[in-house]
Amino acid sequence: RKEVEQDPGPFNVPEGATVAFNCTYSNSASQSFFWYRQDCRKEPKLLMSVYSSGNEDGRFTAQLNRASQYISLLIRDSKLSDSATYLCVVNPGEGGFKTIFGAGTRLFVKA
Amino acid sequence: EPEVTQTPSHQVTQMGQEVILRCVPISNHLYFYWYRQILGQKVEFLVSFYNNEISEKSEIFDDQFSVERPDGSNFTLKIRSTKLEDSAMYFCASSQDNSPLHFGNGTRLTVT
Repeated sequence: RKEVEQDPGPFNVPEGATVAFNCTYSNSASQSFFWYRQDCRKEPKLLMSVYSSGNEDGRFTAQLNRASQYISLLIRDSKLSDSATYLCVVNPGEGGFKTIFGAGTRLFVKA
Repeated sequence: EPEVTQTPSHQVTQMGQEVILRCVPISNHLYFYWYRQILGQKVEFLVSFYNNEISEKSEIFDDQFSVERPDGSNFTLKIRSTKLEDSAMYFCASSQDNSPLHFGNGTRLTVT
C-alpha cells in the first residue's frame, strides 16, 4: 500500500461547482496532515492544515478520519483560479521528519 | 512574510559533474528538507536535517548525495557525480517543528 494515496484525476468541473478530493494514508501513527496546492512548475504551497475536528477556510473544508486513515478536501463554488494540483501531505510526527506527499489530484475549473 | 530562497533557479550540468544547490531557510526554522520532483511525477522526499545532522533520508538519497549547513544560514545539497536521471526540480523546505513545510521556488537541474 502506498504511504499516501490520492485519486490522480483529472477532475474537470465548471465554475461554481463543488468538488471533493480524497486521500488515504498507511501509517496509523501519523500526526499531522495538510493540503497543499501546486501550480504547474511551481513549488507546493500550503492550502490548509487538517485537524481532527475538521476545519474550514472560506470555500475550503478539510476533514480527517483517523479510524479510516482518510483525509478529504472540499472546494465549494469553484473558481477558475482553483485550477491546480492538490497534494495530500502527511507528517509522521513523534520525531519523524519524513513528511510524505501524495501524487496529487489535478483540478481543471472551466468557465 | 519570510520565505525560503533557493539558488540558482536553473542549473545545467554535464553527466558526471558535481553540482551544489543552495538554500537559505527561514531564519527561525530548525528543520530543513530537500525534496525533488521529476517532471510530471510526485514530490519525493530526499532528506531531512535537524540539529546539524541528517535525521531521515530516503532510498533515493544514496552516497552520491550529501547535505551541509556550512555557516548557520545556508543549507546545501551536493550531488557528486550527476546522472541523467537526476534531472528534476529540487525543492528546499524548512519548518519549525511538525508545523507545515515552507518551500523555496526550487532549482531546476538539467543533466545533459
